[in-house]
Amino acid sequence: DAGITQSPRHKVTETGTPVTLRCHQTENHRYMYWYRQDPGHGLRLIHYSYGVKDTDKGEVSDGYSVSRSKTEDFLLTLESATSSQTSVYFCAVPRAGSNNEQFFGPGTRLTVL
Amino acid sequence: EDQVTQSPEALRLQEGESSSLNCSYTVSGLRGLFWYRQDPGKGPEFLFTLYSAGEEKEKERLKATLTKKESFLHITAPKPEDSATYLCAVQLGDSSYKLIFGSGTRLLVRP
Repeated sequence: DAGITQSPRHKVTETGTPVTLRCHQTENHRYMYWYRQDPGHGLRLIHYSYGVKDTDKGEVSDGYSVSRSKTEDFLLTLESATSSQTSVYFCAVPRAGSNNEQFFGPGTRLTVL
Repeated sequence: EDQVTQSPEALRLQEGESSSLNCSYTVSGLRGLFWYRQDPGKGPEFLFTLYSAGEEKEKERLKATLTKKESFLHITAPKPEDSATYLCAVQLGDSSYKLIFGSGTRLLVRP
């Protein structure tokens, strides 16, 4: 599991509230990724990071921001949650010693009412 | 546009009935193709990486193959515990190492 934890594992919130999801890794890897998974769409990349304070957008980045102030933590923030952001969010990091094979965390199920 | 398509969307098999799942892709540059297994309520679990056409990988009852346009995941004599969603993803050849996923095949193996 590449030492990945995500918190919280479940969250219910209301439209318009800010939400922050946390991904924590213990492998000291440079790259980290945030995906969302929705029925019929598979997993889609939201943002990724290639180092402390180095981040870039994925294919579905609108409405999301990220921060990485230290190697082990990658935060995903929904500034003002909307119902369309109800989803399961996964964090991924590459296998130690490789940039290719990504291993996924257990996921965070977010419901926006 | 980079795209990954998996078929069928769902597959029901009897225990012992072998079959194949398909993953076709159109990408500008392929670094690798990945297969994952995902059980309900869990994150994807890594199965295989394939890097070049003609390559094959095996693990227990699963065998993955790769051509220049598609990959197959062959399941030989499946058991009920093989029931899961199987995801295919391609990794682009740029510096991001990001993955583009297909929407998956839901496999149900009945005893």
